[in-house]
Amino acid sequence: AQKVTQAQTEISVVEKEDVTLDCVYETRDTTYYLFWYKQPPSGELVFLIRRNSFDEQNEISGRYSWNFQKSTSSFNFTITASQVVDSAVYFCALSEAEGAQKLVFGQGTRLTINP
Amino acid sequence: NAGVTQTPKFQVLKTGQSMTLQCAQDMNHEYMSWYRQDPGMGLRLIHYSVGAGITDQGEVPNGYNVSRSTTEDFPLRLLSAAPSQTSVYFCASSFGQYPYNEQFFGPGTRLTVL
Repeated sequence: AQKVTQAQTEISVVEKEDVTLDCVYETRDTTYYLFWYKQPPSGELVFLIRRNSFDEQNEISGRYSWNFQKSTSSFNFTITASQVVDSAVYFCALSEAEGAQKLVFGQGTRLTINP
Repeated sequence: NAGVTQTPKFQVLKTGQSMTLQCAQDMNHEYMSWYRQDPGMGLRLIHYSVGAGITDQGEVPNGYNVSRSTTEDFPLRLLSAAPSQTSVYFCASSFGQYPYNEQFFGPGTRLTVL
């Protein structure tokens, strides 16, 4: 069975600090996809990134970066120089190759950036 | 494009009542799904569809029915509402095939069952 664990329930930092959100997953599939979604206080779910299990390249998008390590089954998300607008709940999710519409979500990490 | 739309935004039901949550997408996506979000549990898959006329159960399907008569619409029916179904419900859609397999979510429906 697939499982995603986000052990950090809540994180609170001061603006401009760097923060890393952890995501650990379990799957028996060799091909799978990992995702990060952001849920701001308004409640919608915003897609941030997708990673194919065969692509272990790290990715950087502005202040956001993602570290995918198959050896430790982790897909961590780092925000550099955090801003108040980054305050949200962040979800890590996993889907198998043949069931791309079946996402398994972690419990989410509530990130609060204090001014 | 409106994307994924859901109605209503809020709903209060009494135990035993039935209702339908509406979901529509205008992106010509084949795949559509329903999730529920409960505090501390992330989102859990209720039902999904890979195309018109094809539906299947997800992780928590009990108490819910779905149908997919068109590509655009994917309604979720609560047969006899129970307090345990108090939750926020999200509909999502996607093309399904990598590299276009990210799911786009609707704004959600907050349901309270008394």
